[in-house]
Amino acid sequence: EVQLQQSGAELVKPGASVKLSCKTSGYTFSNYYMSWLKQMPGQNIEWIGNIYGGNGGTGYNQKFKGKATLTVDKSSSTAYMDLSSLTSEDSAVYFCASLNYPGWYFDFWGPGTMVTVSS
Amino acid sequence: QITLTQQAESLWVSPGEKVSITCRASQSLLYTDGKHYLSWYQQRPGQTTKALIYHASIRTDGVPTRFIGSGSGTEFTLSIEDVQPEDIALYYCLQTLKKPYTFGAGTKLELK
Repeated sequence: EVQLQQSGAELVKPGASVKLSCKTSGYTFSNYYMSWLKQMPGQNIEWIGNIYGGNGGTGYNQKFKGKATLTVDKSSSTAYMDLSSLTSEDSAVYFCASLNYPGWYFDFWGPGTMVTVSS
Repeated sequence: QITLTQQAESLWVSPGEKVSITCRASQSLLYTDGKHYLSWYQQRPGQTTKALIYHASIRTDGVPTRFIGSGSGTEFTLSIEDVQPEDIALYYCLQTLKKPYTFGAGTKLELK
């Protein structure tokens, strides 16, 4: 059974950084892309970027370049996302989701991590 | 970037009825391989987001046959026949033809 386990909710101060994790099991992590997505309360879902589990190759939404940095640890089948210089606009739920090949859709999602930016 | 428009913010339905959710793309989602890169997702409170349909019309594993994806080019529809109480949820379309991948704004299915 494929599982994506995300780290717990974060309360962070403006200007700080936070690192979110997405630990996977049940499939060969290095053979697939992992995407990260942002959903603000009551709002649309935005695609932040992809990272390939095999070599860490990345592709970002231009909107999130400089804000998000994606990395992987193949040894633990875990994907990470660093968010920097946080503002209230970064308060949201962040999902990781595996990208199915060749269907090119998000076949498995994590439960999401809520990030709240507040002083 | 490609914009996806889900006109209906909310749709009201009674159990047993049929409902259709539409998604319009700002450009064709047909690739040279003959497939449309449009998928549909269901979000229910307290549950992980679930993929329902990919390539516009292919159901993912385990999705009930009452969920039907159709459409081509720029116009797509997710139909739910014989709506069940557990189908009350938010539904999103997504395009993965071109980066940045983009979602529709979502359609909330509510009980009459």
